[in-house]
Amino acid sequence: AQRVTQPEKLLSVFKGAPVELKCNYSYSGSPELFWYVQYSRQRLQLLLRHISRESIKGFTADLNKGETSFHLKKPFAQEEDSAMYYCALRGGNTGKLIFGQGTTLQVKP
Amino acid sequence: EPEVTQTPSHQVTQMGQEVILRCVPISNHLYFYWYRQILGQKVEFLVSFYNNEISEKSEIFDDQFSVERPDGSNFTLKIRSTKLEDSAMYFCASTRLAGGSGEQYFGPGTRLTVT
Repeated sequence: AQRVTQPEKLLSVFKGAPVELKCNYSYSGSPELFWYVQYSRQRLQLLLRHISRESIKGFTADLNKGETSFHLKKPFAQEEDSAMYYCALRGGNTGKLIFGQGTTLQVKP
Repeated sequence: EPEVTQTPSHQVTQMGQEVILRCVPISNHLYFYWYRQILGQKVEFLVSFYNNEISEKSEIFDDQFSVERPDGSNFTLKIRSTKLEDSAMYFCASTRLAGGSGEQYFGPGTRLTVT
């Protein structure tokens, strides 16, 4: 079965603290994984994808096939990082996305 | 920068009524999707559409649902006879590529409330 699990509904940290948003997946093939972000009153937008191995707004995520994880990390959280973060898996050749439950990141001043 | 647009932003309807949710994908995109998110739950895939036909649908997408690309720009989701449990946020998305580096661009969503 194709599934994405984000175990934390809410993660609250202070500004400057490290952040790790957890994501685990279940997929029989070769997974394509993404992090999407939704800021308050804005649309879902792509933050980063594992295939690019990029760092966006200081966030990175490494695909660990052994642990079937794709955790999102940032060494020093900023208040503007407060948002809803969704981990997603692209399943099949139609490109559909399978989303996790989402984690609300709250960065306190 | 081009964006996916959706109308209306909020639709209130009575149970049993038909609704049509509209989306205008980005103009050079080829793959189109509808997702929904019931309040407090995850974003769920409903249907994908390519080359004027459904390429995949989820088990949520039953006979009450249909999609159409009536002209070169609009992409619609119709619910024939709405139920209370259809109340959700509905997102349209489009992409140029279904795989590889293809990024899905999402619309702002339509909040459907069925009373």
